[in-house]
Amino acid sequence: ETGVTQSPTHLIKTRGQQVTLRCSSQSGHNTVSWYQQALGQGPQFIFQYYREEENGRGNFPPRFSGLQFPNYSSELNVNALELDDSALYLCASSLSQREWDTGELFFGEGSRLTVL
Amino acid sequence: AQKITQTQPGMFVQEKEAVTLDCTYDTSDQSYGLFWYKQPSSGEMIFLIYQGSYDEQNATEGRYSLNFQKARKSANLVISASQLGDSAMYFCAMREGLYSSASKIIFGSGTRLSIRP
Repeated sequence: ETGVTQSPTHLIKTRGQQVTLRCSSQSGHNTVSWYQQALGQGPQFIFQYYREEENGRGNFPPRFSGLQFPNYSSELNVNALELDDSALYLCASSLSQREWDTGELFFGEGSRLTVL
Repeated sequence: AQKITQTQPGMFVQEKEAVTLDCTYDTSDQSYGLFWYKQPSSGEMIFLIYQGSYDEQNATEGRYSLNFQKARKSANLVISASQLGDSAMYFCAMREGLYSSASKIIFGSGTRLSIRP
């Protein structure tokens, strides 16, 4: 069973640029969630995809968008980068909709984005 | 709206002592789950323990136990016999609406635990 993998692990962008972060879910998982974690804070929920459709979104502007593919891999896209977008971006996969599933999140190691 | 509160930004504990990390939550849902995750300095989030709202017994996983007090809406993590490797950030998290594909997990602000040798 492969775990959750994210790429790239580190990247540096400048204000106004666009970035795409990628995530490969754990085998068999049908749900992917993305979180933003600023330094010293807890992860903040960005959005969640279930079977290729967004089915939950946190308090993030539309310039944060995502995709989930048929193989359950996922992308997070951020347009018009701002300095405050500097953070660790965590992808997590889970298995939903079975009575015995806790919906536990399995995390990747994150992509650390620095915006200059 | 669901909310998680962790009131201890940081804690220092002597090695081999037990430690309790506090977590309170707010939800109007009857069906929810509570999680604790550990985040070492390397950044990865490690699942520790889970408690469902309908579970009658407190969850235990090795040295970790969850002190679940439903009426008080608290879900404190207890680590027995702390070890140097327990030094990390600890996050309490909650999932409402357990059987909905649209339910999400939200996290508290975390507690930084430091174990002294």
